[in-house]
Amino acid sequence: RKEVEQDPGPFNVPEGATVAFNCTYSNSASQSFFWYRQDCRKEPKLLMSVYSSGNEDGRFTAQLNRASQYISLLIRDSKLSDSATYLCVVNRADYKLSFGAGTTVTVRA
Amino acid sequence: GAGVSQSPSNKVTEKGKDVELRCDPISGHTALYWYRQSLGQGLEFLIYFQGNSAPDKSGLPSDRFSAERTGGSVSTLTIQRTQQEDSAVYLCASSLMGQSYEQYFGPGTRLTVT
Repeated sequence: RKEVEQDPGPFNVPEGATVAFNCTYSNSASQSFFWYRQDCRKEPKLLMSVYSSGNEDGRFTAQLNRASQYISLLIRDSKLSDSATYLCVVNRADYKLSFGAGTTVTVRA
Repeated sequence: GAGVSQSPSNKVTEKGKDVELRCDPISGHTALYWYRQSLGQGLEFLIYFQGNSAPDKSGLPSDRFSAERTGGSVSTLTIQRTQQEDSAVYLCASSLMGQSYEQYFGPGTRLTVT
């Protein structure tokens, strides 16, 4: 079983729509969780951390469910510029990050 | 300030040849990571350098792969006797010590083995 699993999508949504997707992780000892964004043929960049209580950053909301070992990302009022692949990332007890394969979101005009 | 840089950006090589990939981390970042990303796959951890400590090589897929980091800064990843399955994007990332989650990635080297 992979350490981090994501629905690859793609999620095709119109501008202004809300889109949400999850990822699951297998290591219950995982301590920190993040969403990275990766544009086509570009490097990944940190989008936001995911805190236990849930957190928002503008139009983006992240949630963590430790009991069920999943993380979610919700994007409100989608913009064309939100089109990207979103990587779920889990920091294990050591210094390493485990990356999911990504969920592709395409926002259409 | 300058981000992480990698060279070359693209490399096409024949099967069986050796290749060297270079990474220049952000100045002051003591941690340096190499990853490999194949089409449609997540990032695969290869190797980790932290300061003067012995590197963590646990992710290297075979003994054809090696890496070094000179002077705590620039790193080179060497692949000997390349195989077609080595074709991928090789990404380097750096971070401040103790903040492994906030990794800053370079643009990657796209390696194609023909």
